[in-house]
Amino acid sequence: QVQLKQWGAGHLKPSETLSLTCAVYGVSLEGYYGSWIRQSPGKGLEWIGEVSYTGKTRYNPSLKTRLTISMDMSTNQFSLKLSSLTAADTAFYYCARGPYSGTYSVHFDYWSQGSLVTVSS
Amino acid sequence: QSVLTQPPSVSAAPGQKVTISCSGTSSNIENHYVSWYQQVPGAAPRVLIYDNNQRPSGIPDRFSGSKSGTSATLDITGLQTGDEADYYCGTWDYGLSGYVLFGGGTKLTVL
Repeated sequence: QVQLKQWGAGHLKPSETLSLTCAVYGVSLEGYYGSWIRQSPGKGLEWIGEVSYTGKTRYNPSLKTRLTISMDMSTNQFSLKLSSLTAADTAFYYCARGPYSGTYSVHFDYWSQGSLVTVSS
Repeated sequence: QSVLTQPPSVSAAPGQKVTISCSGTSSNIENHYVSWYQQVPGAAPRVLIYDNNQRPSGIPDRFSGSKSGTSATLDITGLQTGDEADYYCGTWDYGLSGYVLFGGGTKLTVL
């Protein structure tokens, strides 16, 4: 059974840094990207960025200066750090496997349940 | 506002067919694969269609995707009440250093 489980702080203050980790069980990240997608309450999906199993990253240009995504193949996990948080970063954050490395596909085949991150003072 | 344009809502009766459109440009849809995601309230999105018209295993053939030029389409036939959900298209865009775009989403109501 494939599961993606994520963890990290759910409530942060403005200017703080969000750290989330996603552990993938039941399927390997070998050959794939690990991706982060977020969704503000009641709004649509926003792609945050992704890291390949080789460590190559692709980021949303609007978040690039505040964003670091990394991969740990030894534990089949990948992580997100988003700095200088503001209220606009309040959203449900999802991790997902995909796309297949070397492609410009938008095929995220397995997703986490997601977690709400709230930024307020 | 998303660069990929979807109708905010569509509706149809059970058993009928509905089409959801996703309009883009030459920097995104025309030159990249399109995927479609279904999101029921309170749940994570799940992929229905990837690479324009490919269905993952377990997705019924009532769901089909196509692409022509700068537009993509998701067709759902034999509508069921369980199909009520939000639907999102997604693709890459050449802009800046390249990034993934999602449409604004379409709320499907099964009457």
